[in-house]
Amino acid sequence: DGGITQSPKYLFRKEGQNVTLSCEQNLNHDAMYWYRQDPGQGLRLIYYSQIVNDFQKGDIAEGYSVSREKKESFPLTVTSAQKNPTAFYLCASRNPGQYNNQPQHFGDGTRLSIL
Amino acid sequence: SQQGEEDPQALSIQEGENATMNCSYKTSINNLQWYRQNSGRGLVHLILIRSNEREKHSGRLRVTLDTSKKSSSLLITASRAADTASYFCATDPWGDYKLSFGAGTTVTVRA
Repeated sequence: DGGITQSPKYLFRKEGQNVTLSCEQNLNHDAMYWYRQDPGQGLRLIYYSQIVNDFQKGDIAEGYSVSREKKESFPLTVTSAQKNPTAFYLCASRNPGQYNNQPQHFGDGTRLSIL
Repeated sequence: SQQGEEDPQALSIQEGENATMNCSYKTSINNLQWYRQNSGRGLVHLILIRSNEREKHSGRLRVTLDTSKKSSSLLITASRAADTASYFCATDPWGDYKLSFGAGTTVTVRA
């Protein structure tokens, strides 16, 4: 079954600690995305990657870092510089297709909280 | 940046009734997409409508797009309790790999 797997489902961070959220896809998609969702709000783009070994900052990249060493994997690190990390984090992927008319596929999210 | 704005923010209806929600946006788009999110879960794609299309159907879902007014609507007919979720519109600009999501409409279907 093709899809996107995010782990862990729940994550707790101590002050001053970096934590890494995992995102793996077996859809053979080129593009991958990380979003942050706060209660009652829409999705805000943190980072995205159109191809292996390349990624760009989204609208709220400060305090976050990513890597894209393999096509199927796009881990997100929430660093200690991110002062308000409590949120629901969603990973997505897609192949743009002809004329970019393809939807994104989402994982089931990781909920990050501060201890 | 969030381009789509959904209206209303919340909607409560009786099972069997229709639910309509609207999305307005600001810039030119290649397509507009609608997603559903159940509580605590990821988003699920519902419908993609291209900029040269005016209406699209999928089962009990009907989406319209008016590019002159920069607006779209999603209609869910004969609603069921399982339709209880948040619904998001996302705009897909020309020549960009990024979607812009609105804040969503929370729909509650009462049995």
